[in-house]
Amino acid sequence: ETGVTQTPRHLVMGMTNKKSLKCEQHLGHNAMYWYKQSAKKPLELMFVYSLEERVENNSVPSRFSPECPNSSHLFLHLHTLQPEDSALYLCASSHLTGVGYTFGSGTRLTVV
Amino acid sequence: DQQVKQNSPSLSVQEGRISILNCDYTNSMFDYFLWYKKYPAEGPTFLISISSIKDKNEDGRFTVFLNKSAKHLSLHIVPSQPGDSAVYFCAASEGNNNDMRFGAGTRLTVKP
Repeated sequence: ETGVTQTPRHLVMGMTNKKSLKCEQHLGHNAMYWYKQSAKKPLELMFVYSLEERVENNSVPSRFSPECPNSSHLFLHLHTLQPEDSALYLCASSHLTGVGYTFGSGTRLTVV
Repeated sequence: DQQVKQNSPSLSVQEGRISILNCDYTNSMFDYFLWYKKYPAEGPTFLISISSIKDKNEDGRFTVFLNKSAKHLSLHIVPSQPGDSAVYFCAASEGNNNDMRFGAGTRLTVKP
């Protein structure tokens, strides 16, 4: 365990479903991130929360909706996804002025 | 706009020999560079970093070299061990730790 916990580890959902991914950290970090990892592509930054405020949204479709209720928790709400959204979704956290990120183990999402 | 590039998707090395993983970047404002290691079914874990004021950083079997004029960095692993087999991601950030850019990764296989 790295200190960043993601649930569920695996998720299969239909295109009409609504589901949520959860991320939790108790490292005292004040920034949290959602990344998408597709095969043979760079990690794609989706959302950044700094001090619980969203500071970046990299042109992510509205079918992905993040939520950061406090500095320890981050959610990614999913609805009406497409098969091409199937990927590994990684959560990370960091200090705003620290070195590097701590990643969770990811949620492997399959949209059918 | 892929600012961090790892042009070799895979690398195979014999145990005991040197592994050299390469990374190129385009943004001259990047001033912090990191390497992450990722095993299957796990999130990336921080391996080693280097700031732009240095050209070399060593940690045990791992050494990172930075060539700012060429916008190139490399990770050397010597001697390579089978347990080093993983995907290695290069990452870079521009001062602000909130916006780290990743390469697509290089899958290293170390053969016994």
